[in-house]
Amino acid sequence: NAGVTQTPKFRVLKTGQSMTLLCAQDMNHEYMYWYRQDPGMGLRLIHYSVGEGTTAKGEVPDGYNVSRLKKQNFLLGLESAAPSQTSVYFCASSYPSDRGDLYEQYFGPGTRLTVT
Amino acid sequence: AQSVAQPEDQVNVAEGNPLTVKCTYSVSGNPYLFWYVQYPNRGLQFLLKYITGDNLVKGSYGFEAEFNKSQTSFHLKKPSALVSDSALYFCAVREMAGGGNKLTFGTGTQLKVEL
Repeated sequence: NAGVTQTPKFRVLKTGQSMTLLCAQDMNHEYMYWYRQDPGMGLRLIHYSVGEGTTAKGEVPDGYNVSRLKKQNFLLGLESAAPSQTSVYFCASSYPSDRGDLYEQYFGPGTRLTVT
Repeated sequence: AQSVAQPEDQVNVAEGNPLTVKCTYSVSGNPYLFWYVQYPNRGLQFLLKYITGDNLVKGSYGFEAEFNKSQTSFHLKKPSALVSDSALYFCAVREMAGGGNKLTFGTGTQLKVEL
């Protein structure tokens, strides 16, 4: 099993450009998440999904959109990148709440994004 | 709203000595608590969790954590540190409202184990 994979690993954008980050998981998890990690701030939740075709906002959703067209994929889009979106982005997945105590999330390797 | 605090940005310990990385939490109700480790340029790896039951939880790589309800703490411990334990450690608490198994993370503690 590959677990959670993310594409691309690195990207440099100019202000105003758009891009899509792809997350894929092969663990048949219902739930998926997008976080950003900034120095001294830990991980902050951007958006999440509790199933195919559903998405919800997290703590810092502004400037981002997401889609979950297939259970195994979760896409994060930046329509008009800003320097404040320079960060490391992590995708994660987990089982749903009704799977006993299997609450932990499994993380991908991250995407380092720089917006100039 | 729930939160976790990691009061130390960095912890230094000599190899072979015991280590403790501190975490305190604030939740309404019973907490579900987690520890993750992040090695340089990698994603977060799950170490251990407390859901219910025994206050001492054992996890991966020889780590354990002690849940203390009266002190609202969930400190990560290891009896004998290794240089390879040097990494960034995050404490997290599951959000009980709104569904989705969402986690709130602390700001992280950099552990440095020296020879």
